[in-house]
This record gives sequence, C-alpha cells and structure tokens, in this order.
Amino acid sequence: DTGVSQDPRHKITKRGQNVTFRCDPISEHNRLYWYRQTLGQGPEFLTYFQNEAQLEKSRLLSDRFSAERPKGSFSTLEIQRTEQGDSAMYLCASSPFGNTIYFGEGSWLTVV
Amino acid sequence: KQEVTQIPAALSVPEGENLVLNCSFTDSAIYNLQWFRQDPGKGLTSLLLIQSSQREQTSGRLNASLDKSSGRSTLYIAASQPGDSATYLCAFGNTGKLIFGQGTTLQVKP
Repeated sequence: DTGVSQDPRHKITKRGQNVTFRCDPISEHNRLYWYRQTLGQGPEFLTYFQNEAQLEKSRLLSDRFSAERPKGSFSTLEIQRTEQGDSAMYLCASSPFGNTIYFGEGSWLTVV
Repeated sequence: KQEVTQIPAALSVPEGENLVLNCSFTDSAIYNLQWFRQDPGKGLTSLLLIQSSQREQTSGRLNASLDKSSGRSTLYIAASQPGDSATYLCAFGNTGKLIFGQGTTLQVKP
C-alpha cells in the first residue's frame, strides 16, 4: 500500500511524558501536513512542510510541540510534557504541489 | 477569523434518497474547496476538490458545487446507500492548509 502511513496508531501516556508520532507520506509528495482532531470536531491545521522546510506553524502548536522532516521524506511530531488537553487524533497528510491532499489513518493519543 | 459551518450536524435518511449537505464559509476569497469523507475512528478520504476558478465537480453519485459570491458549497449525493454512512467534512484553503467545518454525520438506513 502506498498511502500515508502513521505510527503508532494508538498511544496512551501519562501526563508529563513525551510522545512522538511518525508519518511516512506518499513517496514523491513534497508537501506534508499535521492536523489535530478532537471528538466531534473537524481537523485543525498544525503545521506543514515543503520538502524539509517547515513553512508554517499554527498558533495551536505550542512550545511543547515540535515537528521535523529531516530529509524531506518522513516526519515526526513530538509532544513534550503531555497534558490531558493534548488527547486527540493527530492526522498526517501529504500532497504533490497544488493537488488533492491525502490523509493517513491518524494516531490516537490519550493522556491519562 | 475564517469560519466554516456545516448544516445539518446530523442526518438520517432511508436508502435511495437524494440528499444535500451544506457548507458555508465567511471568507469569500477562498482558494480551493474540498469535500472529505471520514469513517468512525479513521482518517479522511478526499471526495471532490473544487478549484477556486471552478463551480462544480462530479464523481459518480456525488456532485459538489461552489458559489463564492454567497459563501456556500453543497454536496449532493444521489441514490444514497447504507455504505454512504459516514461523516462528511468540507474544507477550504490553499492546497493543504485547510480550514474544516465540524462535519455532517450521515446515516443511511436500509
């Protein structure tokens, strides 16, 4: 399957711990996006990369959040010192320039 | 602040009905508008993309229209089937930086 792949699919962590999510985009897609979705809401944009450059970050992305795409391929989203309010599904997506965006299945985070 | 509103929030119809989902946005200077489908606990699947210069797109039983002057988009589903049951989200923006509505949850009863 050559879709957007996210890992892990589910993560339960204690408050205060750090977590990292990985996203493997569709190969040759130069744009990669992270979104966050809570229950009953639409996804909210967090950040996006064009190749390895992080071009935009939402104000939702506090200092505890950091995203990287070191070689312009896979990306990681790290959340430090997790809080209960971080519980959500974190969605990764990719697109070739100017075309339809393709989402992964998401990574569910539960902070207890 | 750019906002996207979807009405209704939930909809239940018998199989075979034609239906319309509505999406309104506050920023008339939109770029593209997309409709997505989301099954429970899953990611999003793009259904239709309407470029800013276009007025509608069709795919199978789905037709989406865009009226920038009124700030509205509609998704028309013809001859609904139980497999169409899902949450439908509209979103606008440029390429991948999208602003989403809250979605319309559709249930099609056999």
